[in-house]
Amino acid sequence: ETGVTQTPRHLVMGMTNKKSLKCEQHLGHNAMYWYKQSAKKPLELMFVYNFKEQTENNSVPSRFSPECPNSSHLFLHLHTLQPEDSALYLCASSQDRSGVAYTGELFFGEGSRLTVL
Amino acid sequence: AQKVTQAQTEISVVEKEDVTLDCVYETRDTTYYLFWYKQPPSGELVFLIRRNSFDEQNEISGRYSWNFQKSTSSFNFTITASQVVDSAVYFCALSEAGSARQLTFGSGTQLTVLP
Repeated sequence: ETGVTQTPRHLVMGMTNKKSLKCEQHLGHNAMYWYKQSAKKPLELMFVYNFKEQTENNSVPSRFSPECPNSSHLFLHLHTLQPEDSALYLCASSQDRSGVAYTGELFFGEGSRLTVL
Repeated sequence: AQKVTQAQTEISVVEKEDVTLDCVYETRDTTYYLFWYKQPPSGELVFLIRRNSFDEQNEISGRYSWNFQKSTSSFNFTITASQVVDSAVYFCALSEAGSARQLTFGSGTQLTVLP
């Protein structure tokens, strides 16, 4: 139990569907992240939210739309995805403290395995 | 640009053997952080260790040890007396001080420990 919960754990969707991935962290952290993990590839950072504000968007296609309503919840809205978007999507959180050097310790959820048909 | 290379894609060892996972990194910054994460079959990445670029002391934690060498830009991870529960994918990662929250991960090494 890492304190970061992702739902659903598995999702199969067609290219025309709209679905959402949900992440909730119970650690009191103020930063949340979405990573994409494809087979045989390094983890790719997609989005970062700090205090509910998006601070990073690593050239992610607009068919992925993040939402962070509060510092405990993070969503990834999916629409008109492509088969190459099939991957494990990992949510993570961390505690960013102003004036303290970034430490990089992230707490990850178990991921949502997405298959796009 | 920062880069992390884990040349070993898969390693298999027999229980109780020692195993070393290699990590080579590239960065232009003088201040940076290096990490190891473990990803068991359940999927979540688990933080193992963080090292900053000014601390080249090797570290030991139980059966785990890390060898940080700036001269060769390497941050290798050794598991002594491996156990079946050590089977997982291990990721090395790098963060430059000037790019907060930008962890660059290597492609990972799948370690299988056979009974």
